[in-house]
Amino acid sequence: NAGVTQTPKFRILKIGQSMTLQCTQDMNHNYMYWYRQDPGMGLKLIYYSVGAGITDKGEVPNGYNVSRSTTEDFPLRLELAAPSQTSVYFCASSPGGPTNTEAFFGQGTRLTVV
Amino acid sequence: AQKVTQAQTEISVVEKEDVTLDCVYETRDTTYYLFWYKQPPSGELVFLIRRNSFDEQNEISGRYSWNFQKSTSSFNFTITASQVVDSAVYFCALKSTGFQKLVFGTGTRLLVSP
Repeated sequence: NAGVTQTPKFRILKIGQSMTLQCTQDMNHNYMYWYRQDPGMGLKLIYYSVGAGITDKGEVPNGYNVSRSTTEDFPLRLELAAPSQTSVYFCASSPGGPTNTEAFFGQGTRLTVV
Repeated sequence: AQKVTQAQTEISVVEKEDVTLDCVYETRDTTYYLFWYKQPPSGELVFLIRRNSFDEQNEISGRYSWNFQKSTSSFNFTITASQVVDSAVYFCALKSTGFQKLVFGTGTRLLVSP
């Protein structure tokens, strides 16, 4: 029962460094999402994907890139880390389409940029 | 456009009190889904309920109940006889079938004291 798996769970980056947050799901879901949650705040959508090869911007895409080469994986790339990207990042997936059940979330990645 | 508003930032109650968390949504679609999630202090996101736009029946699950009213675009959540373990941040979310993003409100922090 893996569900949505995010790695790493914690990471400290220096300003200007790059990294990729990994997200994989084993439920064959079409829809996948990346959110960030700043301390004491709600979830803001960074990018989402409705299927392999299709991605689109959310509310706060600047400073991030994504790709969706397979149904299972949806990595989030930070190219030049900035302190403003200190946040908890959540990946989620849902079947989408007519069923439209709830989104399943990973455990989150806590990122600190110093 | 889609929007979810949770006007209550934080609510404090004493154990055994009833509490209602408000959620107001905006969408131009006639078919959409509403969700409530709980985020306990440990940080994960726990799915509580899903409701589609064609089903206005209220739902009760133990101490939890949900009131969906299309006329006022609201999907409120009531906890009866609150307990300390109910302390968490609660998020309301919206997904329209014609609009593929899953959009969250800013959340309501519930503090239940003994």
